[in-house]
Amino acid sequence: DIQMTQSPSSVSASVGDRVTITCRASEAINNWVAWYQQKPGKAPTLLIFGATSLQDGVPSRFRGSGSGTDFTLTINSLQPEDLATYFCQEAKSFPLTFGGGTKVEIK
Amino acid sequence: QVSLVQSGGRVVQPGTSLRLSCVVSGFSLSNTAVHWVRQAPGRGLEWVALLSSVGNNHYRDSVQGRFTVSRDLSRNTVSLQMNDLRHEDTGVYFCTRRRPVSGVDYFDSWGQGSLVTVSS
Repeated sequence: DIQMTQSPSSVSASVGDRVTITCRASEAINNWVAWYQQKPGKAPTLLIFGATSLQDGVPSRFRGSGSGTDFTLTINSLQPEDLATYFCQEAKSFPLTFGGGTKVEIK
Repeated sequence: QVSLVQSGGRVVQPGTSLRLSCVVSGFSLSNTAVHWVRQAPGRGLEWVALLSSVGNNHYRDSVQGRFTVSRDLSRNTVSLQMNDLRHEDTGVYFCTRRRPVSGVDYFDSWGQGSLVTVSS
């Protein structure tokens, strides 16, 4: 199974700050990575697919980068509504696996 | 408008069975894969099973032989039959659609989730 190691597990930042979340895959996975946002008590929503492509309707302050084994989700100019947990997911092989999650809190 | 509406979650005893349903609209199960993903309380996301657009299945090892995904095209419904349930199967189960066109298993629409609690 491919392991997705996500860091940090939590981050606290102020409105307007830039937040960076990373995921490292245990083997090369090309660009087959997605990022999801999950608000408390809700289902996840897709933010980024193919490592860098923004899903329709997602604000442009969300940006994905990386390829191979190292991937990054950047939230530029953090907004109050970005309070959530963020997960990466690899889509190279079964079983599909997710990172452990990063909880983003607003200072 | 794409929608996935789930039903069937409840409290059950270990060793028993439960069936979850996911009624979809806004797309066809004949050309779209549906997956099940679960989340244990306070934990991360775990992929469980796939039902492909042509009806093929794939399961994670821990549920292989106990869980079965099926579909009823006439009712636009995907079902997850869970047998011999264990404490570690407790969690919220989501049905989710593979993002069309991408050809890769990214999940662009999700059901609201069904809570399954396995407890004696």
